[in-house]
Amino acid sequence: GAVVSQHPSWVICKSGTSVKIECRSLDFQATTMFWYRQFPKQSLMLMATSNEGSKATYEQGVEKDKFLINHASLTLSTLTVTSAHPEDSSFYICSTDRGRETQYFGPGTRLLVL
Amino acid sequence: KNQVEQSPQSLIILEGKNCTLQCNYTVSPFSNLRWYKQDTGRGPVSLTIMTFSENTKSNGRYTATLDADTKQSSLHITASQLSDSASYICVVSAGSTDKLIFGTGTRLQVFP
Repeated sequence: GAVVSQHPSWVICKSGTSVKIECRSLDFQATTMFWYRQFPKQSLMLMATSNEGSKATYEQGVEKDKFLINHASLTLSTLTVTSAHPEDSSFYICSTDRGRETQYFGPGTRLLVL
Repeated sequence: KNQVEQSPQSLIILEGKNCTLQCNYTVSPFSNLRWYKQDTGRGPVSLTIMTFSENTKSNGRYTATLDADTKQSSLHITASQLSDSASYICVVSAGSTDKLIFGTGTRLQVFP
């Protein structure tokens, strides 16, 4: 099956700084990647759909200027949390969807904003 | 409103015992139903995926059932192991866009 990696696995930053999270599809060319956010004891919430070579599609309530997504190649999508605040502290997970087959999720990135 | 509800919220069992997790959904139109296992601090890993015409699917000690008429699914874990301790998430894919609707999960703890 597809293997998806994320980097870093965890990050601590000061409030007001920007943090970039990378999502790589290691054995599959992913034209579409998905970014999720998960708060403690809650389920995954889709933030945006990242499309290779075009603009990302954001879910309602997600600020596109705050969560910048770049999908410059078929194997890499990045999520940048700009001017991070403590309420942005969460577990960020990316995934790829091979057609109608099951989604393959990355291991997640835990962000803590102080 | 498309929703996926899971029960129980949490479950504690002894190693070697069986257990069954429940998932009820109100998603239309239905495309498929997936069960994922999520270890703490990790991304979800797929266990099973079932379409409308499938009513049971197994993956090792995991057996999922689907009743499309009652819109219910279950995940049965046989002879539980300590490594089964995780959250189990039921996810329903909706319509032609395959938008995923996530349940809140069942937290399973297996004790020796």
